[in-house]
Amino acid sequence: DTEVTQTPKHLVMGMTNKKSLKCEQHMGHRAMYWYKQKAKKPPELMFVYSYEKLSINESVPSRFSPECPNSSLLNLHLHALQPEDSALYLCASSQRVSYNEQFFGPGTRLTVL
Amino acid sequence: KQEVTQIPAALSVPEGENLVLNCSFTDSAIYNLQWFRQDPGKGLTSLLLIQSSQREQTSGRLNASLDKSSGRSTLYIAASQPGDSATYLCAALDSNYQLIWGAGTKLIIKP
Repeated sequence: DTEVTQTPKHLVMGMTNKKSLKCEQHMGHRAMYWYKQKAKKPPELMFVYSYEKLSINESVPSRFSPECPNSSLLNLHLHALQPEDSALYLCASSQRVSYNEQFFGPGTRLTVL
Repeated sequence: KQEVTQIPAALSVPEGENLVLNCSFTDSAIYNLQWFRQDPGKGLTSLLLIQSSQREQTSGRLNASLDKSSGRSTLYIAASQPGDSATYLCAALDSNYQLIWGAGTKLIIKP
């Protein structure tokens, strides 16, 4: 099973809302990633978790707050977002940070009104 | 700083043709190079991963090659089908263990 699942598929939120994106994998991978992708652009790395610890934060605004409750789950908590944060949010996992193949989920399409 | 370039940005070919997508990178110090496929509005599907010590990988009608000395990778698609229409992205894992992405090639296979 090489599947990464993400919920919800679509999310519409106002600028004052608080919402969360969820990502799950059952491949025993110990590295998990959040990416943001704007239309017709490649993904941009946001956060990397390695063995449930945050190892990379690509200077992402604090209105995005990641959480890794266990080795299979990755959340992205959203608060006070801006319309320019509207994008496809992709989760990925790999066996570990170094060397290994990254597997991506289907993404959450986020619209901020 | 590693930069990854994909040329052409778009490609349209008749069904049944063999084709090559190109990916170039500026720094040969990569751990691996991965090719992905992305359908409109969807997530990324990993197609092939080539480790830095390898020269090529094959999966079905797909063959990817890696030449670190020249900073190039190619994705060869044999006997193209309309279902192959998608955007293809390459990404190099750099010395900081981060994927550096090309901008992608949008491929259209005409029936």
